[in-house]
Amino acid sequence: KAGVTQTPRYLIKTRGQQVTLSCSPISGHRSVSWYQQTPGQGLQFLFEYFSETQRNKGNFPGRFSGRQFSNSRSEMNVSTLELGDSALYLCASSPRTGGLYTEAFFGQGTRLTVV
Amino acid sequence: DAKTTQPPSMDCAEGRAANLPCNHSTISGNEYVYWYRQIHSQGPQYIIHGLKNNETNEMASLIITEDRKSSTLILPHATLRDTAVYYCIVRQSPKINTGTASKLTFGTGTRLQVTL
Repeated sequence: KAGVTQTPRYLIKTRGQQVTLSCSPISGHRSVSWYQQTPGQGLQFLFEYFSETQRNKGNFPGRFSGRQFSNSRSEMNVSTLELGDSALYLCASSPRTGGLYTEAFFGQGTRLTVV
Repeated sequence: DAKTTQPPSMDCAEGRAANLPCNHSTISGNEYVYWYRQIHSQGPQYIIHGLKNNETNEMASLIITEDRKSSTLILPHATLRDTAVYYCIVRQSPKINTGTASKLTFGTGTRLQVTL
């Protein structure tokens, strides 16, 4: 069974640009969550999507947004990039059904560098 | 979600058992204890979780005290590949049908160094 796939693995962007990251969950998993990891703040929850709807959101500005498609694939977008957005962005999928969650499976992440 | 406290770092000799403690004194009755680890530059990996009974799987054992205020993750025969940051996380029951149950709140974890 293929794991969680995130693309691209590495990305360099300039301040003020926007970026879109992609996540393909494990087949059959309908819940996708996004996390940001930085040396200073550690791993922080961004948001979760289930059935194409955002179900939960972390404490991040509106520049961070996401969406989920009918095939459960998800994208996250960061607009007007700032230097502080440089981080490892991780996607996790869970086989959530009917409110029952189990463990989350993480992808390898996308390392974003803003210059 | 309850807060957890872990030592920042630990060393373990290869082949020995690694015992990683976690304090979660404010845990509530419907909260589970989860353990994840993160090997350098990779995404976190699920290890094990439990509510109040001890749990064991192919990776590790989880020992939860009777009062549930602390737990210990045991890697029975640590290898160099077990060198990683280990996160102890407490979160609501996965059966709660709300939007918050999916969120994992990571602390700073314990950096385990396995040496020859």
